[in-house]
Amino acid sequence: QKEVEQNSGPLSVPEGAIASLNCTYSDRGSQSFFWYRQYSGKSPELIMSIYSNGDKEDGRFTAQLNKASQYVSLLIRDSQPSDSATYLCAVLSYSGYALNFGKGTSLLVTP
Amino acid sequence: DAGVTQSPTHLIKTRGQHVTLRCSPISGHKSVSWYQQVLGQGPQFIFQYYEKEERGRGNFPDRFSARQFPNYSSELNVNALLLGDSALYLCASSLVGLADYNEQFFGPGTRLTVL
Repeated sequence: QKEVEQNSGPLSVPEGAIASLNCTYSDRGSQSFFWYRQYSGKSPELIMSIYSNGDKEDGRFTAQLNKASQYVSLLIRDSQPSDSATYLCAVLSYSGYALNFGKGTSLLVTP
Repeated sequence: DAGVTQSPTHLIKTRGQHVTLRCSPISGHKSVSWYQQVLGQGPQFIFQYYEKEERGRGNFPDRFSARQFPNYSSELNVNALLLGDSALYLCASSLVGLADYNEQFFGPGTRLTVL
């Protein structure tokens, strides 16, 4: 079973701060990585995808990938209370069709 | 454009019954995947269908089955329901079934409660 590991949190940050969410994965052959945001009682929403080593920025979000260390992270700049949610790291299996998810990190942004 | 749609939104069944969940993908998407999410866990992969063919199956018993129709909509069937089948069932739509990227977009889910 290929594993994706995340700290379950909760991670608490003050409004306006940078939230840093981390994820490690065990399948060295994985090539595609995703971050989903899930509000309580709702379904996951895709917020970032990353395929190459380095950083990828989209608005207040930056995804970072280090395949050698098998590590993916998500930075949220200028955190807002509306960012409070569970963030799921997902890794596309080597087969190319199944997403393997971590358990998610709960983020709480306090006003 | 409409996103992924799923029906019903909520369902209550008793042990031993059968259930059918339905999903319509984003227009133009040909691949549908099904996931099960229990409380406090990330989604777990059940099936992926692409162009009406099963592309992959996760570690679920044969009580779980699915199919995809010519219009790319899909059904997930679960027989002989167990209490442990209570979960949020998610359908995800993607543009291609085989790709290095394969971004998957989720529908709102069906909340199944088995009593």
